Amino acid sequence: QKEVEQDPGPLSVPEGAIVSLNCTYSNSAFQYFMWYRQYSRKGPELLMYTYSSGNKEDGRFTAQVDKSSKYISLFIRDSQPSDSATYLCAMRAGNNRKLIWGLGTSLAVNP
Amino acid sequence: NAGVTQTPKFRILKIGQSMTLQCTQDMNHNYMYWYRQDPGMGLKLIYYSVGAGITDKGEVPNGYNVSRSTTEDFPLRLELAAPSQTSVYFCASSIGQASTDTQYFGPGTRLTVL
Repeated sequence: QKEVEQDPGPLSVPEGAIVSLNCTYSNSAFQYFMWYRQYSRKGPELLMYTYSSGNKEDGRFTAQVDKSSKYISLFIRDSQPSDSATYLCAMRAGNNRKLIWGLGTSLAVNP
Repeated sequence: NAGVTQTPKFRILKIGQSMTLQCTQDMNHNYMYWYRQDPGMGLKLIYYSVGAGITDKGEVPNGYNVSRSTTEDFPLRLELAAPSQTSVYFCASSIGQASTDTQYFGPGTRLTVL
């Protein structure tokens, strides 16, 4: 079993839809959770960073962490064609700088 | 700030050739990382460094070497290129603080070994 599981999709939604992206993990030591966005032929860029359980909102994006279920989510409201990208979840334990990555979910938002 | 820069952007190698992928960051970050990304396989850590003169193996180090003589530069060396090393290579850096550490990525080098 991989430490981090992420459905690779692809996911295709109409413009304006609410998108939900998810990852599950097995290591209860993970404390820091990240979502990166990667456009085609570009490097990943950090989108959201959260510590421990709870929600964090930034504009149209909301990151949610449920440590009891070992489950993290990224919600995108009012999705736009410019949100079309691969979304990677990543996480790490407290003093460990090495990130454990999901495989990424490919999202297409259709006008 | 340029952030993390990588050269070259693209390269085609023949089997058995050698090359160095360059990575430079101007953010005074302590930590630097090399990843490879293959379709459907996610990001795999090759090597990382916690500071000048200190490097360590990641998940998939075989066939690669690194050095870190300065804070800014972290080159990745392929000694005897093999088709299995065809991939996109990303360099990343982070400041290294426990509570806020996040990785910043370069634009990648697309390598084909024929």
